[in-house]
Amino acid sequence: GQQLNQSPQSMFIQEGEDVSMNCTSSSIFNTWLWYKQDPGEGPVLLIALYKAGELTSNGRLTAQFGITRKDSFLNISASIPSDVGIYFCAGRQYGNKLVFGAGTILRVKS
Amino acid sequence: GAGVSQSPSNKVTEKGKDVELRCDPISGHTALYWYRQSLGQGLEFLIYFQGNSAPDKSGLPSDRFSAERTGGSVSTLTIQRTQQEDSAVYLCASSLAPSDGELFFGEGSRLTVL
Repeated sequence: GQQLNQSPQSMFIQEGEDVSMNCTSSSIFNTWLWYKQDPGEGPVLLIALYKAGELTSNGRLTAQFGITRKDSFLNISASIPSDVGIYFCAGRQYGNKLVFGAGTILRVKS
Repeated sequence: GAGVSQSPSNKVTEKGKDVELRCDPISGHTALYWYRQSLGQGLEFLIYFQGNSAPDKSGLPSDRFSAERTGGSVSTLTIQRTQQEDSAVYLCASSLAPSDGELFFGEGSRLTVL
């Protein structure tokens, strides 16, 4: 079945550092999405990518849709304490359900 | 409301009892999804509704789980004869169209089976 391998599983970073996480799959996806989940809440969409090679920014966040359509990465620049949370990648093949990675837990040392 | 609404937000039940979880999607969204999130885990797909098409039930873990969507809007996820391993947060999400990957999530229903 469709599986997304998300890494790293968790990370501690120093405030102000840049963060990078990625998602890979053996399957091709037409859409890649990145979500963030805060404790006790549902995931919230950060960035959506619809085209291979696409690079999209949202404030301090930058995400790319891999050229092979089998991977995506998310970068966070100059991390701050409120970046703490769980980040999920998600991928969709046209007309199919959205599948999620296992998440990257981000903890920031203040 | 403006967002996806789920109820109850918390449910504690005894093993063997049936539970119903409700989801009100964003008005006009044709696609509705249920996911399950166990403690510290990712999102496990359960079921997907799209308009009047037959739902994709491929993620339901057992025949104790069922879901329906009435009138293309509100959905109910039912778990019969609950087991302790059913304890999790059940998240509902909706999207505008099937090809629209942007899912909007509710805050979830936390189920605890004693």
